[in-house]
Amino acid sequence: EVQLVESGGGLVKPGGSLRLSCAASGFDFKNAWMSWFRQAPGKGLEWVGRIKRKIDGGTTEYAAPVKGRFTISRDDSKNTLFLQMDSLKSEDTAVYYCTTEGGSWGQGTMVTVSS
Amino acid sequence: DVVLTQSPLSLPVTLGQPASISCRSSQSLVHSDGNTYFYWFHQRPDQSPRRLIYWVSNRDSGVPDRFSGSGSGTDFTLKISRVEAEDVGVYYCMQGTYWPPGYTFGQGTKLEIK
Repeated sequence: EVQLVESGGGLVKPGGSLRLSCAASGFDFKNAWMSWFRQAPGKGLEWVGRIKRKIDGGTTEYAAPVKGRFTISRDDSKNTLFLQMDSLKSEDTAVYYCTTEGGSWGQGTMVTVSS
Repeated sequence: DVVLTQSPLSLPVTLGQPASISCRSSQSLVHSDGNTYFYWFHQRPDQSPRRLIYWVSNRDSGVPDRFSGSGSGTDFTLKISRVEAEDVGVYYCMQGTYWPPGYTFGQGTKLEIK
């Protein structure tokens, strides 16, 4: 069974940084393209970014609102996905979900950006 | 950028009755490789989203066969043949054909039981 468990969320001040982790199990992680999505309180779903598997270059792509501030990486030896979030803004407040390109989702981790 | 427009945004349905949600794209979602990267998701209150349909009409594993997806080009539909209580929540359509901007969603349709 696919399991994705996000962690690392919390309260951070505007301009601050946070690093989210996603522990994956139940599937061939190193051969999976992975995406982060988010959902602001009471709002719809928004794609954040994705990382391809290493044999496809391991390249990353980002949504316009986070490009240049967020960085996705992966550690295939630990079946773990990361989302490094820098220069955080209040509009980044959301539940962040780790997914297998939308097919399977974690339970999410809440990030609140507020002074 | 491609825009997905769902209708209706609110959908009250009687248990056991059918339901239908439309998603219209501002551009054709047929990729240059011939595939159409269009999806449907369901999110129950206070739960993570769940993908129901991928590539227009393919049900994900474990999705009841009362859910069906159809459409092509710019017009897509999700149908529920007989609504059950567990079907309440918000339904989203999503496209993955255009990169950039990457995956983009419709506004969501809230299904409730009358």
